Amino acid sequence: GENVEQHPSTLSVQEGDSAVIKCTYSDSASNYFPWYKQELGKGPQLIIDIRSNVGEKKDQRIAVTLNKTAKHFSLHITETQPEDSAVYFCAPTDSWGKLQFGAGTQVVVTP
Amino acid sequence: ETGVTQTPRHLVMGMTNKKSLKCEQHLGHNAMYWYKQSAKKPLELMFVYNFKEQTENNSVPSRFSPECPNSSHLFLHLHTLQPEDSALYLCASSQEGGRGQYFGAGTRLSVL
Repeated sequence: GENVEQHPSTLSVQEGDSAVIKCTYSDSASNYFPWYKQELGKGPQLIIDIRSNVGEKKDQRIAVTLNKTAKHFSLHITETQPEDSAVYFCAPTDSWGKLQFGAGTQVVVTP
Repeated sequence: ETGVTQTPRHLVMGMTNKKSLKCEQHLGHNAMYWYKQSAKKPLELMFVYNFKEQTENNSVPSRFSPECPNSSHLFLHLHTLQPEDSALYLCASSQEGGRGQYFGAGTRLSVL
């Protein structure tokens, strides 16, 4: 089965700085790479995703980069704000729709 | 509001009780999912339904019984649970199998 590792498990950043979370996976059949954000008391929310024919995708302050050869993809958050504080999950998915969530990264943005 | 509604939001039950969790999606999606989220563990996929048919059961104990009467509603029937079943149970839906899932806020379950 898919082995997914997410690093770091916790990340503390100063407001305005950048944050990067890395997700490493093992299944070469994975071809869809989403990131989810979970705030306290809520379910995970899809914030950005990328498909295997694209290397990078950006949406305002967040971006995802994919290195399919090395089997990892990363979430980049620039100009962090307090509302970015949450737990972030990666969930590499194969063409059959089978996905495996990472263990999550707790991001804390301090003013 | 994600378009996926779960009820109840909180549930406390004894080990001999029978209860049900409900999930409803208003997004016109074809796939629905149940997940278990425990502290310090990754989200665990429990069941997947595509077009009302169960397509995945990840070795979930029989004390959890899913039901999908139509593509908009999903239930999780619970009976004779154990204290270790206490967790947040999340429902999700998607248009395309596995991709772009929309989650409800979850049901926080405590088994005494």
